[in-house]
Amino acid sequence: DAGVIQSPRHEVTEMGQEVTLRCKPISGHNSLFWYRQTMMRGLELLIYFNNNVPIDDSGMPEDRFSAKMPNASFSTLKIQPSEPRDSAVYFCASSLKAGSNTGELFFGEGSRLTVL
Amino acid sequence: GQQLNQSPQSMFIQEGEDVSMNCTSSSIFNTWLWYKQDPGEGPVLLIALYKAGELTSNGRLTAQFGITRKDSFLNISASIPSDVGIYFCAGPFLSGSNYKLTFGKGTLLTVNP
Repeated sequence: DAGVIQSPRHEVTEMGQEVTLRCKPISGHNSLFWYRQTMMRGLELLIYFNNNVPIDDSGMPEDRFSAKMPNASFSTLKIQPSEPRDSAVYFCASSLKAGSNTGELFFGEGSRLTVL
Repeated sequence: GQQLNQSPQSMFIQEGEDVSMNCTSSSIFNTWLWYKQDPGEGPVLLIALYKAGELTSNGRLTAQFGITRKDSFLNISASIPSDVGIYFCAGPFLSGSNYKLTFGKGTLLTVNP
């Protein structure tokens, strides 16, 4: 079975450029999460969706960040304009139950972003 | 927001040794989870604990849900080189009407063959 698929795996861009990260959750999963991982702050939840609807975006650092989930099989995280401090590994994860308290998330392999 | 405090931050051990790491919180959790992240990969769920006092094993891994519901530990017995990675504890907390999964900062484990 295919897991969570993220693209690109690596991106290097210059400050000010737009960055779009993509995610395909596991088929049949109702919840999708975007996390950011850095050495300093660890894994931070940015935003999550239940049944394609954004539920909580309080973790999105600034207006430069936006996320969409147009359908059950696709989500994007966009940074515009990008800044060097956005450099991190961005993970997408999905889970079976919307709003579940079981915490069983399935993570993608991550997109490593470097902003010069 | 909710904070999970993991210790130790890192460990360097010899192959064959046992490992113990723990996680504490100032808040009560109804679920404790342990994830492992291999280098260059996303975290993968190892063990989930759903009841205070619960002790669960998964191969060489054993985890316990503290009776106070504010802590958990993970033990790895007879470590092997492939145990290398970052181990995270995590817990879902209720935010509004939905649960958000929060992670500890992780314990970096290095196993010397």
